[in-house]
Amino acid sequence: DGGITQSPKYLFRKEGQNVTLSCEQNLNHDAMYWYRQDPGQGLRLIYYSQIVNDFQKGDIAEGYSVSREKKESFPLTVTSAQKNPTAFYLCASSMVAGGSTDTQYFGPGTRLTVL
Amino acid sequence: AQSVTQPDIHITVSEGASLELRCNYSYGATPYLFWYVQSPGQGLQLLLKYFSGDTLVQGIKGFEAEFKRSQSSFNLRKPSVHWSDAAEYFCAVVGGSYIPTFGRGTSLIVHP
Repeated sequence: DGGITQSPKYLFRKEGQNVTLSCEQNLNHDAMYWYRQDPGQGLRLIYYSQIVNDFQKGDIAEGYSVSREKKESFPLTVTSAQKNPTAFYLCASSMVAGGSTDTQYFGPGTRLTVL
Repeated sequence: AQSVTQPDIHITVSEGASLELRCNYSYGATPYLFWYVQSPGQGLQLLLKYFSGDTLVQGIKGFEAEFKRSQSSFNLRKPSVHWSDAAEYFCAVVGGSYIPTFGRGTSLIVHP
């Protein structure tokens, strides 16, 4: 089955540690996105990538980093510089880079908790 | 810049009752509009989308939405709610930037 997988489902981190969240898609989509979700705040865009080896900052990129070395993979690193990283993180992909009519497909999410 | 407002944080309905979730957008031209649903601890699933043409859009699970340009709205409706519809609902707008902007979501509670 085609889709987006995110791992792990739950992640615990000590303060001062960097952690990497995995996102893989087998939909052959060009564009991939990372969102952060906090209660009552909807989805906020962290980073997005429209093509391999290229990515753009979203609205809340500070304290996060990404890479896009392969079309199917878009890992997100939450660095120690992110002051409040506890949240639910969602990865998404869409077929056409920059296609405004395109639909986003979402992974199941990773819940990160900083201890 | 585009924006979207979902005025209701929570909506409570009885099973079998009708439902309307509100969504208002701000964008200078005709945007592309989406409704997504999220079950607890899960990702988002597309319910329906509007790009052009007929302003009444049919989606999955018996949902529909109507685009009203004069009111800058794209409200989601369902004639008879089932207990399994309890979830978080998000409206999203795509304008010239081609990146969706999501509303804050409306939590639907269904009473038996």
